[in-house]
Amino acid sequence: SAVISQKPSRDICQRGTSLTIQCQVDSQVTMMFWYRQQPGQSLTLIATANQGSEATYESGFVIDKFPISRPNLTFSTLTVSNMSPEDSSIYLCSVEKDNYNYGYTFGSGTRLTVV
Amino acid sequence: RKEVEQDPGPFNVPEGATVAFNCTYSNSASQSFFWYRQDCRKEPKLLMSVYSSGNEDGRFTAQLNRASQYISLLIRDSKLSDSATYLCVVESGSARQLTFGSGTQLTVLP
Repeated sequence: SAVISQKPSRDICQRGTSLTIQCQVDSQVTMMFWYRQQPGQSLTLIATANQGSEATYESGFVIDKFPISRPNLTFSTLTVSNMSPEDSSIYLCSVEKDNYNYGYTFGSGTRLTVV
Repeated sequence: RKEVEQDPGPFNVPEGATVAFNCTYSNSASQSFFWYRQDCRKEPKLLMSVYSSGNEDGRFTAQLNRASQYISLLIRDSKLSDSATYLCVVESGSARQLTFGSGTQLTVLP
């Protein structure tokens, strides 16, 4: 199964600033997914990132607020822009385990607090 | 109606008990189904995939009923280490998007 290295693991940021979260995968994957988990809630998909094309955003999420890069098949970044306290959440990236097994692997998450 | 609905919980059970979680999903075209486990302040980890024929992994049994759009997870002989939040997850669409249930919290008591 793919192993994901996600960083930073946590950060405390001032409102109005931006934070870029990185996910590095130890193997090539077609699709990478970015999720948000707000306090006490389950995971909500932000966007799907394919290499070489623009990310596909879910309802309620826009590129200006959450720009995503996917420069190659092993790496992606999610930026949380112009942050407000409402953006305080855990952000997770995810990839499929592999082509033959179902299920998905998640990064260890980035715990963001906006003050 | 939520796309994936789970028992709200929390479930507090003694060690050795059998506990069952239920989940329903609204998209009849969903193609894959999973149970994930999430420990406090950790990322979700795959517990098991769910198939129509049912599948068992040790003390865990998962079942899928496509006609009723219903998924279940049975945990037998509960251990303290089973304490976690259990997430029902449904995969749908050509982009294979995952939709998560809100999770059911399980606490196994000594």
